[in-house]
Amino acid sequence: QITLKESGPTLVKPTQTLTLTCTFSGFSLSTSGVGVGWIRQPPGKALEWLALIYWDDDKRYSPSLKSRLTITKDTSKNQVVLTMTNMDPVDTATYYCALFIAAAGTGWFDPWGQGTLVTVSS
Amino acid sequence: SYVLTQPPSVSVAPGQTARITCGGNNIGSKSVHWYQQKPGQAPVLVVYDDSDRPSGIPERFSGSNSGNTATLTISRVEAGDEADYYCQVWDSSSDRVFGGGTKLTVL
Repeated sequence: QITLKESGPTLVKPTQTLTLTCTFSGFSLSTSGVGVGWIRQPPGKALEWLALIYWDDDKRYSPSLKSRLTITKDTSKNQVVLTMTNMDPVDTATYYCALFIAAAGTGWFDPWGQGTLVTVSS
Repeated sequence: SYVLTQPPSVSVAPGQTARITCGGNNIGSKSVHWYQQKPGQAPVLVVYDDSDRPSGIPERFSGSNSGNTATLTISRVEAGDEADYYCQVWDSSSDRVFGGGTKLTVL
């Protein structure tokens, strides 16, 4: 059974850096063709893809947020970490991590973690 | 950047067929994936690669993709299908892209 769980602060202040950890089980991030992605969802709004790290350590970022994001992996700990700098109230959202299955130029997220709500407020 | 356009809402009576569209420039040349999100829950993959179903997803869920429109079709709609549905593709300029979501209401 594959599971993922997000952890991190529930409240951050504006301008601070957010660090979120995705801890997973049931798969290895050293297996060819897999990755872990981060997706967020502001309250009442749509999903927004943030970042993705592949088994071979290739990293991809949302073009609109690339300058603020860093994604890393620790294969031995089964963890993926996302950092987002210069947080703003508009970054208030539920942040999800998900297993990414890569396939011939495409790929999908399955399954997803339960998500963690991050509020940005002073 | 690549944009995916979904209708904000679709309504259907129980037992009928719901069709949720996802529009994008030449989307027929891309693989489209669909997610279901019920209130307070994480998204769940219901269709991948245009028309394949993950294990455990009912056959009532199907997908198609051609031209500038991809479609998620839910046959014999049940009350439990009420949810938000999102399409997703990969684009060379935008990488992973999600549509704006469609709220399915079962009347």
